[in-house]
This record gives sequence, C-alpha cells and structure tokens, in this order.
Amino acid sequence: EVQLVESGGGLVKPGSSLKLSCVASGFTFSSYGMHWIRQAPKKGLEWIALIYYDSSNKYYADSVKGRFTISRDNSKNTLYLEMNSLRSEDTAMYYCAKSLGARPDYWGQGVMVTVSS
Amino acid sequence: DIMMTQSPLSVAVTPGESASISCRSSKSLLHSNGITYLSWYLQRPEKSPQLLIYQISNLASGVSGRFSGSGSGTDFTLKISRVETEDVGIYYCVQFLEVPLTFGSGTKLEIK
Repeated sequence: EVQLVESGGGLVKPGSSLKLSCVASGFTFSSYGMHWIRQAPKKGLEWIALIYYDSSNKYYADSVKGRFTISRDNSKNTLYLEMNSLRSEDTAMYYCAKSLGARPDYWGQGVMVTVSS
Repeated sequence: DIMMTQSPLSVAVTPGESASISCRSSKSLLHSNGITYLSWYLQRPEKSPQLLIYQISNLASGVSGRFSGSGSGTDFTLKISRVETEDVGIYYCVQFLEVPLTFGSGTKLEIK
C-alpha cells in the first residue's frame, strides 16, 4: 500500500524558513517523480513543485520560484521542500504526491504551514 | 499557463440521481503521443484529494463504476451516477500536459 507521510509544518513568522519532509513507502520511491501541492485555507489546489525520480529535473510555480527548493534522498525514501522567505500567502496545507507520468497519483495526508507574526 | 475552468461552482443532488461537472481547458490537452493529460480528483471533507479518473475516462483503482469521464481536446465532463452520501466533497480537474500543472477551481457536491 502506497503511503506518504508529511512532517515539518508549523507556525512561523514572515521571512523565516521551514523544511518539510515526506516519507514514502509501499512503492519504489527512486523510480517515481514527486510533487508538492498546497491548499490555502478554504481555497483550491495549487501545484508548486515537481522533481524527477533521479533529481535530474525540477520545476516550480512562479509563486515559489527562487524561495522554495524541492529535493529528495532516494536512499531514505524521502522528499523535501525547503521554504525560505516565507510570506503570509504561503499559509496552506502542503501535500506531497507521487507522480505517474506527471499525474499526481497518490497524495499524503498533508502538513499545515502557518505564516503569521 | 493553461487555465482550467470548472462549472458549476456547486451542485446539490438528491441521492440516487446523477450529477455532471464540466471542465474546460484554455489549450488542448491532447499530446502528440495520443494521451490526453486530464484527471479528476475528489477531496472529501477534511481529507486529501484522491484520484478518480485519469486520461479522460480511465477509472482509478478502487473507484466506483458510478463515476465516468468523457470529453476530448479542451472540453471534459465528469458524471456521477446514482449519487450516494459518500460522494460529498469537492471535485477538481487538473491538467498535467505542461508545468505548471493547473487545477480547476473545484465543484462542491452536496446532498439535498
């Protein structure tokens, strides 16, 4: 059974940094691309980043480009999202999702990030 | 960026009846490889989204046959037959032909 478990969220002040993790199990993590997708409170879904299975390519939404970095450690079956210069508009539930041909396939349960002074 | 337009914003359905949700893209989602890069998801209350349908009409594993998808190019429809209370939630379409992936704004399904 595919499982994706996010962690690392919390309440932080504007301008600060945070690093999210997503531990994967139930599939060969090193063979699949992975997404980060977020959802602001009471809002819709916003894709923010994609990383290829071998980290050879990374793509970002304009809203986070230059501030967020997606990475992975295939030896630890773990996906990361490093978030810098956080803004109030980054407040959201952050989901990691397994990618199948670029399609978000299985999603984690999400981790909440709140940016507030 | 490819814009995804969903309608209606919300729909209220009597159990046992059908519901249809429309999704339009600002660009054809048909790739030269013959695959259409469009999927549908359901986000039940307080849950993460789950894949319902991929490539227009293919049912994801474990998804009820009451769900069906149709369409082509830029116009797509999700139909839910014999609606049940467990179908309550927000339905999203998404294009993954190009980055950034873009989602429709969502359609909230409620039970009358």
